[in-house]
Amino acid sequence: GDSVTQMEGPVTLSEEAFLTINCTYTATGYPSLFWYVQYPGEGLQLLLKATKADDKGSNKGFEATYRKETTSFHLEKGSVQVSDSAVYFCALSDQGDKIIFGKGTRLHILP
Amino acid sequence: DARVTQTPRHKVTEMGQEVTMRCQPILGHNTVFWYRQTMMQGLELLAYFRNRAPLDDSGMPKDRFSAEMPDATLATLKIQPSEPRDSAVYFCASGQTGLYNEQFFGPGTRLTVL
Repeated sequence: GDSVTQMEGPVTLSEEAFLTINCTYTATGYPSLFWYVQYPGEGLQLLLKATKADDKGSNKGFEATYRKETTSFHLEKGSVQVSDSAVYFCALSDQGDKIIFGKGTRLHILP
Repeated sequence: DARVTQTPRHKVTEMGQEVTMRCQPILGHNTVFWYRQTMMQGLELLAYFRNRAPLDDSGMPKDRFSAEMPDATLATLKIQPSEPRDSAVYFCASGQTGLYNEQFFGPGTRLTVL
């Protein structure tokens, strides 16, 4: 079945460091791919998405490129801020309404 | 600014009591999802509806959990009787079929069963 695997956390970085959170997926069809973010005490919210191969999703300085050849959708940001501390979920939607979420990666940014 | 709302935000109850959680999806959305989040299990899909019809509740313990959509503006998740292992944060999310299946999450109900 469809699945998402993302790097385990926690990830701890200093402010202004470069961020990469790895995500790979398995799907039978041509899924849409997402990154969701969950700030403390809140629900998940969509950070960015890509709906076909080679698409790049971007938002708030974060980027991820849909790589069909490597079945990956890695999240990157050039310079993280303390306010980026949160849990990040990679996810896919293949067939039907459901979204398959990864287990989440907790990110801590130190000032 | 359209949002999914959930009530209550926090609930503390004793084992054996009935718990009802409510969700108001975003107006115009036709899919509703219930998730449970714990540190150990992460995010689990409990049930989901499309056009108010239940399509999948395979993630839900059938003997004590039930989910309904009495109308398009209200979804409920009920636990009866509640147990300490039900302690978790319960999220409702809504979406619109065809919009790349993006889901919009509510703020969650934090349930503690003593």
